[in-house]
Amino acid sequence: DAKTTQPPSMDCAEGRAANLPCNHSTISGNEYVYWYRQIHSQGPQYIIHGLKNNETNEMASLIITEDRKSSTLILPHATLRDTAVYYCIVKRAGGTSYGKLTFGQGTILTVHP
Amino acid sequence: KAGVTQTPRYLIKTRGQQVTLSCSPISGHRSVSWYQQTPGQGLQFLFEYFSETQRNKGNFPGRFSGRQFSNSRSEMNVSTLELGDSALYLCASSLPSGGAEETQYFGPGTRLLVL
Repeated sequence: DAKTTQPPSMDCAEGRAANLPCNHSTISGNEYVYWYRQIHSQGPQYIIHGLKNNETNEMASLIITEDRKSSTLILPHATLRDTAVYYCIVKRAGGTSYGKLTFGQGTILTVHP
Repeated sequence: KAGVTQTPRYLIKTRGQQVTLSCSPISGHRSVSWYQQTPGQGLQFLFEYFSETQRNKGNFPGRFSGRQFSNSRSEMNVSTLELGDSALYLCASSLPSGGAEETQYFGPGTRLLVL
């Protein structure tokens, strides 16, 4: 699975959009981009995933560049409860990747009042 | 629909003992993965089970083992506990994918402390 690079930390004001970048320049055509977050000492929470197209759900939007080498997770109106570690993960379906997510260090997002 | 449940939530053991952790996946999910999270190593993949068969395994010693039952519930066992096994153990479940994406949903974890 491709390696990802994320900034170690970011700050955001409450009510503003939080834009979390992720670089995955070695991504292959059959690899998906997943985003999870982990609030202290809890299990990671699935946020969103995509292959090529931009995706949106009730939690966030995922913007993937046309060359798929990077992506941005957007939390449109950040709240204090969005303070967490955000992980960007690239995963190939099936084969030796069965059931395996490779977590990096993630980005610590701190939302300020 | 109920989420992934893990029992127990907290556990204290001493070195040399063994421990068994349990995971009940989301109803209908047949794949169960286990992860270990420590401050030093972060989140690391242990193994994955599907239809009672281990399909994938991470780089952990043989003291770490698991199994899956016919109802998709899974257990992991750690034998001869070491201090370094103190960690948050996480279980995640997903639908069978047939090659498509496999979105995993995590449980709250079991926090193990080895003294």
